[in-house]
Order: sequence, then structure tokens, then C-alpha cells
Amino acid sequence: QKEVEQNSGPLSVPEGAIASLNCTYSDRGSQSFFWYRQYSGKSPELIMFIYSNGDKEDGRFTAQLNKASQYVSLLIRDSQPSDSATYLCAVNGLDSGYALNFGKGTSLLVTP
Amino acid sequence: IAGITQAPTSQILAAGRRMTLRCTQDMRHNAMYWYRQDLGLGLRLIHYSNTAGTTGKGEVPDGYSVSRANTDDFPLTLASAVPSQTSVYFCASTASPGTGELFFGEGSRLTVL
Repeated sequence: QKEVEQNSGPLSVPEGAIASLNCTYSDRGSQSFFWYRQYSGKSPELIMFIYSNGDKEDGRFTAQLNKASQYVSLLIRDSQPSDSATYLCAVNGLDSGYALNFGKGTSLLVTP
Repeated sequence: IAGITQAPTSQILAAGRRMTLRCTQDMRHNAMYWYRQDLGLGLRLIHYSNTAGTTGKGEVPDGYSVSRANTDDFPLTLASAVPSQTSVYFCASTASPGTGELFFGEGSRLTVL
């Protein structure tokens, strides 16, 4: 089983600050990288995906990918209390039908 | 509303009983998956199916079986439930395995006593 590693947190940031979430993966052949947000008791929902090295921005969210370092991150600018959730990093596997392998998630708490 | 429907949403089950979790999608996605989510362990793949008529094993397949008779339905069966199968089960689907957005159902919370 290929590894996807995340710090479990909780990561606490004040409202308006930048939250930085990090993820490393073990399979150098992985090509697709995703960030999902999961509120307590709910199902995961996609926030961002990135396929190429560099940055990808969507509103307050920026995904960063460095394939050489096997590292992907998510930045949340102007963090809001509604951003408080668990953030799951997912990487496509090269086996199991290309199913996504998920990290254990990082819990983010944005304090007012 | 298009999406994935799971049933039941919650179930308490005696150990040794047989249980089938149902999953239906109306997005005509070829690929479907079953994950379980446990505190501290994250989402782990149980079984997958990339197209109707084919299935495969994920990371934690023991004690579970699946079938994919058609595109829309992907039931997960516990032949003889054990307490370690207490978990939240998520069904998911995608139009593009590995590259496309994974859509999740609302989850089925199963407790095995």
C-alpha cells in the first residue's frame, strides 16, 4: 500500500490568517493529487485538484505540487471559521484500479 | 438531484449476521468504490469496480464482497459481521479513475456488537 502522509493536527489559525496544510506521498508514479474537505459527520467533498508541478489557485485556495520532493500542499487564505474541518490529501494509486489513496487528514480549526 | 445514494444510513448489527450495504449512482460513472473510515486510520479502500461486470480488491478486502451487475449499483456485503467491521462506510464514484473527481455518498454508519 502506497503511503500518503499528513500531520493529524489540530492546526489552529486565527480568522483571516493563512492556513497551510501539507502532504507527502511515496509513489513517484502518481500523477493526480486532490484535496478534499470533510466536515464532522459528513462525506468528503472536493476542493482542489492538481496534476502539474507548481501552483494552482481557485479563490482563497491554492494547491502546490512538487513532484521531485513528492510533496503537495494546500493554502487557505483569509481563513474563516467555516473552513474548520478535516482536510484529506488524496493521490491516485497505480494499482487497485487507479483508486485514490487518502491520507489520514489534518484537522483545521479557525478561531474567531 | 443526481448523485450517490447509500442505504441504510445507520445500522446496528449482531456479530455473525449477514449485511448488505446498498449503493446506487445516477451519474452513469463507470468506476465505483467502497471505502471505510475509522478514527485515526482515515479512508481505506475495500473494493473497487472500474466497469460493470468487473471488481477488484483494495487495501482491506477481507470479510467483504461486492458485485457490479450494472453501471448504477455496487452493493457491499459482509457475509458474517465481526466487531472490527464497525465503521463508517462510504461509497464513491468517478467518471475518470485516477484523474477525475470522486463523488461520495452520505455514508453508512455500521455498528457490529
